[in-house]
Amino acid sequence: AQKITQTQPGMFVQEKEAVTLDCTYDTSDPSYGLFWYKQPSSGEMIFLIYQGSYDQQNATEGRYSLNFQKARKSANLVISASQLGDSAMYFCAMRPSNYQLIWGAGTKLIIKP
Amino acid sequence: DTEVTQTPKHLVMGMTNKKSLKCEQHMGHRAMYWYKQKAKKPPELMFVYSYEKLSINESVPSRFSPECPNSSLLNLHLHALQPEDSALYLCASSQEFSGTSGRVRQEETQYFGPGTRLLVL
Repeated sequence: AQKITQTQPGMFVQEKEAVTLDCTYDTSDPSYGLFWYKQPSSGEMIFLIYQGSYDQQNATEGRYSLNFQKARKSANLVISASQLGDSAMYFCAMRPSNYQLIWGAGTKLIIKP
Repeated sequence: DTEVTQTPKHLVMGMTNKKSLKCEQHMGHRAMYWYKQKAKKPPELMFVYSYEKLSINESVPSRFSPECPNSSLLNLHLHALQPEDSALYLCASSQEFSGTSGRVRQEETQYFGPGTRLLVL
């Protein structure tokens, strides 16, 4: 079965520290996309970063980078120099070519001042 | 400019009411989506429109009726809802939606609106 697993229900991190949010996926489809979204308490789902299964390099977008380890089926999100505004729910999602977007359960990240 | 707008932001309705949620995007995207999200859960896909045609209906009860008047607009008509339908309803759009075949591309990235918080009494 195709699925996304986020093993950290919640995390507390000190401001300015780097954060790694874990995501593992399971699919036999060779073509898939991996996405990370941020959802603050206001409710809006904000797209952060995308990694394609055929991409050779790890994706980066500003303070966000995706540590893509294809053999381990891992797509961890790294946030450098965390800020108070990074406190939110973070969802990892996968879009295999034979199905629509599959979501992980999410990780609630709280940044401490 | 990645903007999807949704109205209203909040909606309270009785079980006999009829209401509509509206979603609009001006990014030239060809696919639009409705999701339902319960508290502390990931979003659940309800409907997908691609090129103004309904591509996916995830066995959603008929009390939810989607409509795509044009490529920029997506409505969700609500009728005779139940209290368990109370949730955050999210609209999203993407440049493309390849369905269940073909290589997945970055153009399928979904951009979301701020959502409508619906309470059914």
